[in-house]
Amino acid sequence: DIQMTQSPSSLSASVGDRVTITCRASQSISSYLNWYQQKPGKAPKLLIYGVSSLQSGVPSRFSGSGSGTDFTLTISSLQPEDFATYYCQQSYIARTFGQGTKVEIK
Amino acid sequence: EVQLVESGGGLVQPGGSLRLSCAASGFTVSTNYMSWVRQAPEKGLEWVSIIYSGGSTYYADSVKGRFTISRDNSKNTLYLQMDSLRAEDTAVYYCARVRVTTTYDTFDIWGQGTMVTVSS
Repeated sequence: DIQMTQSPSSLSASVGDRVTITCRASQSISSYLNWYQQKPGKAPKLLIYGVSSLQSGVPSRFSGSGSGTDFTLTISSLQPEDFATYYCQQSYIARTFGQGTKVEIK
Repeated sequence: EVQLVESGGGLVQPGGSLRLSCAASGFTVSTNYMSWVRQAPEKGLEWVSIIYSGGSTYYADSVKGRFTISRDNSKNTLYLQMDSLRAEDTAVYYCARVRVTTTYDTFDIWGQGTMVTVSS
């Protein structure tokens, strides 16, 4: 099984901050890496697919990068509506999610 | 509008069974890969099962042999039959469409979720 490890597990940030979340796979997953945003009581929402492609309707302040085993989600200027939990997910072999990163208000 | 609506969740005793449904609108279930993902209370997301457009099915080790994914093309609906339920199966269950190409594979449409509680 491919394990996905996110860091940090949580972070506190202010509106306007640049936020970076990392995701490491236990083996190479090519470009099969996606990012989701989840707010309390709601279903996850697709943000980024295929490492760096922005899902339609997602603001351009979200971006993804990386290759092989190491990947990053960046929010260039944190907005009030971005406080949520973020998950990475691989689909190279079966499908596995990271444990999540909770972005909280500082 | 492209939409998924789950139903069928509830309270069930350990060892019992439950069937979840996921009705799709705005697209055709049978021509897409479809999946179930669950989330235990205050926990992260866990992939459960997938059915390919060709009919092949795959399961997480945690549910293999107990859960069965299927679809009814005439109703444009996805199902998850859950048998021999355990307390650790307690979770919100989401159905999701899987968008697949040669370079990526992602859950692009999600339902709102249905809660399953396994308890005596």
